[in-house]
Amino acid sequence: GDSVTQMEGPVTLSEEAFLTINCTYTATGYPSLFWYVQYPGEGLQLLLKATKADDKGSNKGFEATYRKETTSFHLEKGSVQVSDSAVYFCALSGHAGNNRKLIWGLGTSLAVNP
Amino acid sequence: DAGITQSPRHKVTETGTPVTLRCHQTENHRYMYWYRQDPGHGLRLIHYSYGVKDTDKGEVSDGYSVSRSKTEDFLLTLESATSSQTSVYFCAITPGGSKRGSYNEQFFGPGTRLTVL
Repeated sequence: GDSVTQMEGPVTLSEEAFLTINCTYTATGYPSLFWYVQYPGEGLQLLLKATKADDKGSNKGFEATYRKETTSFHLEKGSVQVSDSAVYFCALSGHAGNNRKLIWGLGTSLAVNP
Repeated sequence: DAGITQSPRHKVTETGTPVTLRCHQTENHRYMYWYRQDPGHGLRLIHYSYGVKDTDKGEVSDGYSVSRSKTEDFLLTLESATSSQTSVYFCAITPGGSKRGSYNEQFFGPGTRLTVL
């Protein structure tokens, strides 16, 4: 079945460092891909998405490109801030007819130090 | 803001008692979901609904039931709470739409922290 694999955390970086969080997937068909962010004590927020191969999603300085050839959707940011400390989840939409359920990675915790 | 509220936001209860969590949305979305979030397990789907009185089980449905008698409310019930059900519970919705992939993103409520003693 469909699945999402994220790099394990926690990831600890200094402010202004470059961030990459790896996400790879297994899916039949052509899923849409998502990154969500969860700040401490809050619900999940959609960070960015891509709905077809080679699409690049971007938001708040974060980017991810839908790479069908490598089945990947890695999250990147050129210069992280302390306020980016959060848990990041990669997800994909399943095949058509599955009642729009999402398949989730386990999340990657990011801590950014001043 | 997808107009999703959850109540209560925090609850402490004792083993064996019934508990009902409420998810309320204001925008007539068809699809609604209940998840639990636990360290090391990420998000796990408990139940979901694809319309009024249309519900189905997720991957961790044992010990939980749901009801959806109105579009705007999706209730999660623990008939007899156990300590293993201590968790943070999130409700989510998916907006409607027919274009493949474009509307499958989910929007989340703020969560309910449940502690079963």
